[in-house]
Order: sequence, then structure tokens, then C-alpha cells
Amino acid sequence: GIQVEQSPPDLILQEGANSTLRCNFSDSVNNLQWFHQNPWGQLINLFYIPSGTKQNGRLSATTVATERYSLLYISSSQTTDSGVYFCAVEVTGTASKLTFGTGTRLQVTL
Amino acid sequence: EPEVTQTPSHQVTQMGQEVILRCVPISNHLYFYWYRQILGQKVEFLVSFYNNEISEKSEIFDDQFSVERPDGSNFTLKIRSTKLEDSAMYFCATLAGNDYEQYFGPGTRLTVT
Repeated sequence: GIQVEQSPPDLILQEGANSTLRCNFSDSVNNLQWFHQNPWGQLINLFYIPSGTKQNGRLSATTVATERYSLLYISSSQTTDSGVYFCAVEVTGTASKLTFGTGTRLQVTL
Repeated sequence: EPEVTQTPSHQVTQMGQEVILRCVPISNHLYFYWYRQILGQKVEFLVSFYNNEISEKSEIFDDQFSVERPDGSNFTLKIRSTKLEDSAMYFCATLAGNDYEQYFGPGTRLTVT
């Protein structure tokens, strides 16, 4: 099956710093999503981005499908950005399962 | 606003007992998914359900698991005889919007003792 790897596995930032999270996948994908898992365990949708670039406030994402990677940019980080960031991909068909990456655990300190 | 809600938020059960986890859609959805996340690990796919039938399942989804939509609205995941290793957060998800973006419910934390 497809392999989805995220880096770095852990990241500690001071408030106000910028960061880039990376998601590599081993096969072609139809769909790619980024999620933020907050400290209460909820999975919050950030981006649906099978290709191209999107921005939402301080967050933006870019997927280069031909090179099998996606990047999540966090600018001016805040303590509320802390949590685990997952990318997830859908390999075949439409509306099929998501395969999740291993996640990046982000801690933003004051 | 979430597309689905889940009940209960936390369930504690003894090994060997049956549990039923419920997923309640906010609006009419055709696609449903169950995923689980063992503490500290990544989220894993269990099963997908479309138009009242299982469309895809993983190797985790063995004979101990079943899904159904008993009343046309709620969507349930049943574990017949729980094991310690079934302790995890269980997420229900559905599709929403004009594309194939999956949205997750808040999860049910299952603890098997």
C-alpha cells in the first residue's frame, strides 16, 4: 500500500515563528487533505488540496502531485496552533478511504 | 460546525463486552467512514459505507466488527466482544461540500479494561 511520511516528527517553536511541515507519499493520489488534531483529539480540516496552492489566514498549503509531496506553511505561529498535524491521501477512485501520515507534533511556546 | 456528531464521547467497557458506537449526521449523507486511532499513533481506516452497503474495509475490520444504518439516519459501529487492543479513539467521517473532502466527527474514546 501507499506510504505517507511526514517530517519533522516533532517541532517546537516560539510564538511568532514560521514553520514548514512536509508530507511525502509514495504513489499517485486523487485527494490530499491536511488536518490539525487539537489537544482534545478532534480532527479539524485545514485544506483539501490534491494539487496547487491554497491559503487560509496564517496557513497555506502546496501540493506538487507530480513530485509526490505536499507542504503546510504556518506563519506567525500561536500557542493555539499546538497539536498534531496530519496529512492524509486518497489513492484510488473517488470517495474511498484516506491513508494518514504519521503526523507532525507541534508545540508553540510563549 | 461538524457534519457528524458521535455518541458517546467516552465509553469504558470490560473485555468481552459488546459496544455500539453511534454516528449521527447533521444532514443527509450517503458516504460514511469509520477510522480509529490508538493513543499516540496515526489514524487508521476501518470501513466505508455507501448507500447502505459496505464499500471497502481494512484488514482490521474483522468478524468482531459490524456496521449498519438501523433507522436511516444513525450510523453505528458494533464491536461484538471487545479486546484490550480495541482501546482507541473511533472517528466517524462523511463527505461534505462539492468535492470529496472528508469531515470527521469529534470521536468516541473507547477504553477496554
